[in-house]
Amino acid sequence: GAVVSQHPSRVICKSGTSVKIECRSLDFQATTMFWYRQFPKQSLMLMATSNEGSKATYEQGVEKDKFLINHASLTLSTLTVTSAHPEDSSFYICSVGWASNSYNSPLHFGNGTRLTVT
Amino acid sequence: DAKTTQPNSMESNEEEPVHLPCNHSTISGTDYIHWYRQLPSQGPEYVIHGLTSNVNNRMASLAIAEDRKSSTLILHRATLRDAAVYYCILKDRDQGAQKLVFGQGTRLTINP
Repeated sequence: GAVVSQHPSRVICKSGTSVKIECRSLDFQATTMFWYRQFPKQSLMLMATSNEGSKATYEQGVEKDKFLINHASLTLSTLTVTSAHPEDSSFYICSVGWASNSYNSPLHFGNGTRLTVT
Repeated sequence: DAKTTQPNSMESNEEEPVHLPCNHSTISGTDYIHWYRQLPSQGPEYVIHGLTSNVNNRMASLAIAEDRKSSTLILHRATLRDAAVYYCILKDRDQGAQKLVFGQGTRLTINP
């Protein structure tokens, strides 16, 4: 069964509004989750690392004030795209690891959220 | 993490074996070789990983060159459901963070 649940799977919003995407770890407690973005025909790009109970770590070039990440519990991380614009339209994907700092464990990914900003 | 090089695309026929190559000439001794695949409109899924020895699981086999500078993912009998983008990723054993850095991958097309 699914290990990671991501919601919603699709969302359409108007320019200037904010959108929240949820990523839930279903089977275990996750102190760390990761958020990726993927544009059409391109690979996944890591946006940020979500840390439970502390601030997220953003990759270079990702605006932390635009992409708000909250990891308030061990099973839920949220990504809020604030003041969305058409260029934010993309496929957003989260991932969760089995165990902290385990190089030998696979990562599990959500099924992604297709965001369209009109 | 060290870089990997994969062909942009490959094509094969249903029920035939598929060999997906990956070059990683700058691999370090502590790098694991991971393979993930992404089906259309879905998140990536884990396929297999290894360090030095060849590995087999229910999904695929991973053949690792003796000098570890290249590896091959083997799908023994491709089905239409195997059509996906396959990513070969190196993951440093000594790095605590579990984030993965994705390259462009190989887009595999399976012909019926």
